[in-house]
Amino acid sequence: DQQVKQNSPSLSVQEGRISILNCDYTNSMFDYFLWYKKYPAEGPTFLISISSIKDKNEDGRFTVFLNKSAKHLSLHIVPSQPGDSAVYFCAANRNTGKLIFGQGTTLQVKP
Amino acid sequence: AAGVIQSPRHLIKEKRETATLKCYPIPRHDTVYWYQQGPGQDPQFLISFYEKMQSDKGSIPDRFSAQQFSDYHSELNMSSLELGDSALYFCASSWGSQETQYFGPGTRLLVL
Repeated sequence: DQQVKQNSPSLSVQEGRISILNCDYTNSMFDYFLWYKKYPAEGPTFLISISSIKDKNEDGRFTVFLNKSAKHLSLHIVPSQPGDSAVYFCAANRNTGKLIFGQGTTLQVKP
Repeated sequence: AAGVIQSPRHLIKEKRETATLKCYPIPRHDTVYWYQQGPGQDPQFLISFYEKMQSDKGSIPDRFSAQQFSDYHSELNMSSLELGDSALYFCASSWGSQETQYFGPGTRLLVL
């Protein structure tokens, strides 16, 4: 039972354009959502998070949007850079602390 | 800034052997989490500790055990290793159980 789903295994965008990565969840008890970036043979690197009481959080080129009624969140990267090419994981958290991850989306930013 | 340290980074074991993975959290972080990531899969939660007490347990086999020590470092002990245990094992730490988790570089375990 995949409680957090990233339905797009891969995404390819041109440098300078916007990258939009999507994530859906099924458990309405999740109250904290995070995005991690992962390079091969490295651990996930924290990018940005959002609490369930908010609908938007912005940090530099990264913005996360949360639509609780749709149980959907998205990560926007503007402008996209070749160094952003990596696997992006969406993760959700209840007050127990453990993270439930999506399957990941591989982003390729072409120069 | 100091990050989560894991050792060893790579480990090769034979079936039925034992392995011990170590995790040193970010200074002043009191919560440690262990995750397992199989090939082509997303990380799966194994177990977590808060202030040296087990705080949550996920899909961790009975052959595995873990603990958090007085200096907050944690060790994951794996016995009777099976081929299916081959995976990346990540440790993450946070300050409190509801704060952002920061991950270490992982230990790649290969069971032959």
